[in-house]
Amino acid sequence: QSVLTQPPSASGTPGQRVTISCSGSSSNIRSNTVNWYQQLPGTAPKLLIYSNNQRPSGVPDRFSGSKSGTSASLAISGLQSEDEADYYCAAWDDSLNALVFGGGTKLTVL
Amino acid sequence: EVQLVESGGGLVQPGGSLRLSCAASGFTFSSYWMHWVRQAPGKGLVWVSRISSDGSSTNYADSVKGRFTISRDNAKNTLYLQMNSLRAEDTAVYYCARAWHGTRNAFDIWGQGTMVTVSS
Repeated sequence: QSVLTQPPSASGTPGQRVTISCSGSSSNIRSNTVNWYQQLPGTAPKLLIYSNNQRPSGVPDRFSGSKSGTSASLAISGLQSEDEADYYCAAWDDSLNALVFGGGTKLTVL
Repeated sequence: EVQLVESGGGLVQPGGSLRLSCAASGFTFSSYWMHWVRQAPGKGLVWVSRISSDGSSTNYADSVKGRFTISRDNAKNTLYLQMNSLRAEDTAVYYCARAWHGTRNAFDIWGQGTMVTVSS
């Protein structure tokens, strides 16, 4: 059972917009910034969004992040087949004094 | 090229020990917080430990506290994870990751991972 809760799966057709939620608590998401990672099959994760809504250089602006209270979301617009991957949210937890990940969401492009 | 390369994984019996290394290149290693993250086969990412840029501060997940020790040698540009009293549930790919400059917990560079298998 992960401290941050994500839906196990999500799907969309090419060109659609999909969102992935990440639910936490006052000790993690409310108090600290949220980061998002994309993991393609058989590869190491890649930083997609940091500090809630910032994109590292090279990440397409189709990817966006937001945070409100104890929840965060990752939105992917103009869905492409290469977006099919696992997505993870993460945040520091002040009560656990540890970093916590969500359980991951497997995105399928139909 | 900015790069992290892990080594030291392998097969170990329950109760045994292993030391992982993570060699950094292409950046000023001593300026960055570093982390270990693991992923059991077919499962999600799990944070293991972090260490400050100068090595003076460390944190651990409860599941490894007292058994694992993170350390670094800034002169050798190398991060370590000493793993003792290994259990079957420690079986995973272990990644080292660099924290984005200016943050402590956003991982912008990851290694390729090294597999640790704990089994008799």
